[in-house]
Amino acid sequence: EDQVTQSPEALRLQEGESSSLNCSYTVSGLRGLFWYRQDPGKGPEFLFTLYSAGEEKEKERLKATLTKKESFLHITAPKPEDSATYLCAVQAPAGGTSYGKLTFGQGTILTVHP
Amino acid sequence: NAGVTQTPKFRVLKTGQSMTLLCAQDMNHEYMYWYRQDPGMGLRLIHYSVGEGTTAKGEVPDGYNVSRLKKQNFLLGLESAAPSQTSVYFCASSFLAGGRTDTQYFGPGTRLTVL
Repeated sequence: EDQVTQSPEALRLQEGESSSLNCSYTVSGLRGLFWYRQDPGKGPEFLFTLYSAGEEKEKERLKATLTKKESFLHITAPKPEDSATYLCAVQAPAGGTSYGKLTFGQGTILTVHP
Repeated sequence: NAGVTQTPKFRVLKTGQSMTLLCAQDMNHEYMYWYRQDPGMGLRLIHYSVGEGTTAKGEVPDGYNVSRLKKQNFLLGLESAAPSQTSVYFCASSFLAGGRTDTQYFGPGTRLTVL
């Protein structure tokens, strides 16, 4: 069974204090790993997709990396507006006409204090 | 483009009542999904659809039904609501682009309370 574990459950940072969020996964053939951001009371907002080990993607202060067992979301010099829950999900290969199931982690709640 | 929209945003039901949640997308996506999100449980797939007129069960389908009569709409029905169905419901849609992984885009959610 596909599993995704995110750590830590919650992370409190001071503005400008860089850190990383971890997403460990087990999946029968990774088709893609997704990072989403979710603000309170809103739906998940897509950030990145990573397809293979060694791949990296960046967006503003965020950088996502991928290995064969885990992904990291690095946050450089965070600002209070980066406060949100960050979700990681893995997608297994699709079979025939069925879609590739997404398995989500429980998320990391990031709080950045000014 | 509005993306993925959901109606209603909030709803309170009594046990045994029925209701339908509506999801609409204007991105011409083939695939649509219904999830529920509960504290400590993460996002769990209820039902999904790979095209107009087709639906399939996800991880937690019991107590829910769905229909996809039009490509842009995906309806989630609760025939007899139970307190265990109190949750936040999210709709998502995606397309499969050239064989690459399909990114799912989410709606704003419906917060449902069953008393």
